[in-house]
Amino acid sequence: SQQGEEDPQALSIQEGENATMNCSYKTSINNLQWYRQNSGRGLVHLILIRSNEREKHSGRLRVTLDTSKKSSSLLITASRAADTASYFCATDARSNDYKLSFGAGTTVTVRA
Amino acid sequence: NAGVTQTPKFRVLKTGQSMTLLCAQDMNHEYMYWYRQDPGMGLRLIHYSVGEGTTAKGEVPDGYNVSRLKKQNFLLGLESAAPSQTSVYFCASRGQANTEAFFGQGTRLTVV
Repeated sequence: SQQGEEDPQALSIQEGENATMNCSYKTSINNLQWYRQNSGRGLVHLILIRSNEREKHSGRLRVTLDTSKKSSSLLITASRAADTASYFCATDARSNDYKLSFGAGTTVTVRA
Repeated sequence: NAGVTQTPKFRVLKTGQSMTLLCAQDMNHEYMYWYRQDPGMGLRLIHYSVGEGTTAKGEVPDGYNVSRLKKQNFLLGLESAAPSQTSVYFCASRGQANTEAFFGQGTRLTVV
């Protein structure tokens, strides 16, 4: 079964609002990564957070990691129409032979 | 750099036919992955490789075979295609464990 599970499955927000999505996973990890997929395209890496980090920022993105709860969140601030995409978390674990396991994703729609 | 290139981009097969999907990367990456993406199920790992000459099974390996004879290429084969293998296939590579992955643009395969 997949390691990461995103919540919610879908999210619709107004341009300028913030979007928050969560990822839960089952076993210990070395790092957790977030990717974006625009419709019909390949995935693009957004941010990587290591197991010993609690928070990381990149532009309008903020990622948190709580290893005690086995969960992560991705916050997109001041959303734009171009942020409309599907977002996936992926877990990376030495114990899992670094297979890079993905969740089912959160589909975000930003309304103009 | 071209990054990760998948060939072909689209293909229609009849049940029972065979085909090979090619993934080529020009970044001298050690790790390569093949995923399939079906609606609502995110990316599921089919097979992966941690270096030239190595391959290993992922979550959904049945019906597929792979080879990594050259470091830059990772081939995914379907020996006898079935309608259940209709999907979008993505290849990814990364230099080492615990780093970001780079994805190809995908191959849309339909088995009729």
